[in-house]
Amino acid sequence: GAGVSQTPSNKVTEKGKYVELRCDPISGHTALYWYRQSLGQGPEFLIYFQGTGAADDSGLPNDRFFAVRPEGSVSTLKIQRTERGDSAVYLCASSSPPVADTQYFGPGTRLTVL
Amino acid sequence: DAKTTQPTSMDCAEGRAANLPCNHSTISGNEYVYWYRQIHSQGPQYIIHGLKNNETNEMASLIITEDRKSSTLILPHATLRDTAVYYCIVSLGGGADGLTFGKGTHLIIQP
Repeated sequence: GAGVSQTPSNKVTEKGKYVELRCDPISGHTALYWYRQSLGQGPEFLIYFQGTGAADDSGLPNDRFFAVRPEGSVSTLKIQRTERGDSAVYLCASSSPPVADTQYFGPGTRLTVL
Repeated sequence: DAKTTQPTSMDCAEGRAANLPCNHSTISGNEYVYWYRQIHSQGPQYIIHGLKNNETNEMASLIITEDRKSSTLILPHATLRDTAVYYCIVSLGGGADGLTFGKGTHLIIQP
């Protein structure tokens, strides 16, 4: 079956612009996670959704970052007033707890802020 | 901060067993040990997890010490495709929290 998909695969934007990154989880998975990975580092947790609600957003670095999952499936990570330090690969994962808490990751979106 | 400590890099000859160590001396009684790997330019991939008993699946074996302060991931017959960064993660499990990744071990399989 289809895995987690993320679009776009690459996004180049200018400092100060607004961007949206999309994640399509595995069908039927109720949990969805966003991570950010800088060069040479492991992924860093940003936010976790259970259904439509954000169960844990403690990893969001500041109020420029926001994520939604209005229908409990697709999620969008929104970044306002982008800064060069936001450049990273943004990873999405989904899982289906408590049946299986293994997280399945997408290929990521590489964001470059010029 | 990650609750685990791993070597930065390791080499292993193709066809041999790769043994990747991980220290997690502050692990709590209800926390699991998870292993994920990340091949270059891909998202992380789940390998295996365990609580206190040793575990084996089609990809690997996980050996957890009796005091649970360390573990070893074993790839029994390493291939070139196993070259990746391997992450050892401590988590409550149940899918109720995000994973805390460290820097992992860069495993290089030599032909």
